[in-house]
Amino acid sequence: DTAVSQTPKYLVTQMGNDKSIKCEQNLGHDTMYWYKQDSKKFLKIMFSYNNKELIINETVPNRFSPKSPDKAHLNLHINSLELGDSAVYFCASSQVGTGGTQYFGPGTRLTVL
Amino acid sequence: AQTVTQSQPEMSVQEAETVTLSCTYDTSESDYYLFWYKQPPSRQMILVIRQEAYKQQNATENRFSVNFQKAAKSFSLKISDSQLGDAAMYFCAYRSADFGNEKLTFGTGTRLTIIP
Repeated sequence: DTAVSQTPKYLVTQMGNDKSIKCEQNLGHDTMYWYKQDSKKFLKIMFSYNNKELIINETVPNRFSPKSPDKAHLNLHINSLELGDSAVYFCASSQVGTGGTQYFGPGTRLTVL
Repeated sequence: AQTVTQSQPEMSVQEAETVTLSCTYDTSESDYYLFWYKQPPSRQMILVIRQEAYKQQNATENRFSVNFQKAAKSFSLKISDSQLGDAAMYFCAYRSADFGNEKLTFGTGTRLTIIP
């Protein structure tokens, strides 16, 4: 059983389109995250949700909108895609108060043409 | 804000030898966690080892161990008996112990090559 899953794994789209990436975790964790890994492999936090509540929003353009329908799911919707949005997006989850090791999904490689 | 520095963009080691990857960090907090993650070509992020700042004892996981120097803000990873499967990008990461600030702050990574 996959602990943290993301769909799709690859996404190729045109500039200006709107797309979504979905994330699900079956670890029973209460906190989920989105990270972006750029072309130089640098990883940076975008958002964090705890029990469906947004707790971290790191200066991300408002074209990016996370949504957490329940604590096992965290989706990322991106409007008006730009070339610079091309990256690998990772979802992760952890449990507050346990020293919070974060477990990562397999990543979604987004390519904007 | 916390920062994490990995000063070795690339390292290589002969199979079965030992290699040490460096990591330094900057923080004003006294309680935090440090991690090493491995990212092979499959791009999956895999936890290698973690260290709680309040523990003086260095963490070990099989062939992987850390040298945690809190005063020097240094957190190096030692890989013993290197294997071909250890080839990957290695990321050092910092996490605050404060609730609401549990994001991981990553270094820029070290690409490790294993020479057969």
